[in-house]
Amino acid sequence: EAQVTQNPRYLITVTGKKLTVTCSQNMNHEYMSWYRQDPGLGLRQIYYSMNVEVTDKGDVPEGYKVSRKEKRNFPLILESPSPNQTSLYFCASSLPGASWELFFGEGSRLTVL
Amino acid sequence: GENVEQHPSTLSVQEGDSAVIKCTYSDSASNYFPWYKQELGKRPQLIIDIRSNVGEKKDQRIAVTLNKTAKHFSLHITETQPEDSAVYFCAASMDGTASKLTFGTGTRLQVTL
Repeated sequence: EAQVTQNPRYLITVTGKKLTVTCSQNMNHEYMSWYRQDPGLGLRQIYYSMNVEVTDKGDVPEGYKVSRKEKRNFPLILESPSPNQTSLYFCASSLPGASWELFFGEGSRLTVL
Repeated sequence: GENVEQHPSTLSVQEGDSAVIKCTYSDSASNYFPWYKQELGKRPQLIIDIRSNVGEKKDQRIAVTLNKTAKHFSLHITETQPEDSAVYFCAASMDGTASKLTFGTGTRLQVTL
């Protein structure tokens, strides 16, 4: 089954404790991206990657890191989480071409105390 | 950068009525406009998209119209059904792809019986 898998789905952590949210897709998609969703703000892009070893900042990259060492994986790293990073995070992937449909993961709800 | 405004933030219609959601964008260079639907607790999913070389696109009960001169585009849902209840996001991109989408803030559509 074609899918984008995120882990963990839910996480409560404390300020400053490094964490990683993993994202994996099995569709051989070149493009992957991370968004955060906050009430009243819609979806805002954090980072994206057009291919292996190619990453770029989105609109709200501060406080986040990413890496793309393999095509299928695109982890989101919070080196020192702060309460303002409490949010619902979505990973998405796509196969660039005529159709640029984004396939989203199920989301990861992160709470930073 | 691009700014996308979406209205209304909430919309309640009776089953069978039509619903219209409007978005405006700021950058005249934007040329790709997708719409995503997010059911409660679920991931966003693409429902329709339009490119700047087309003024209107239809897919069964949903349609999108684009007015490049006024820099706005709209989602039209006819004969609404309870399963249309969801949050709808519009988005815009300047490079014809979904690599750097700017999303609107979302419209919560409630279809009542």
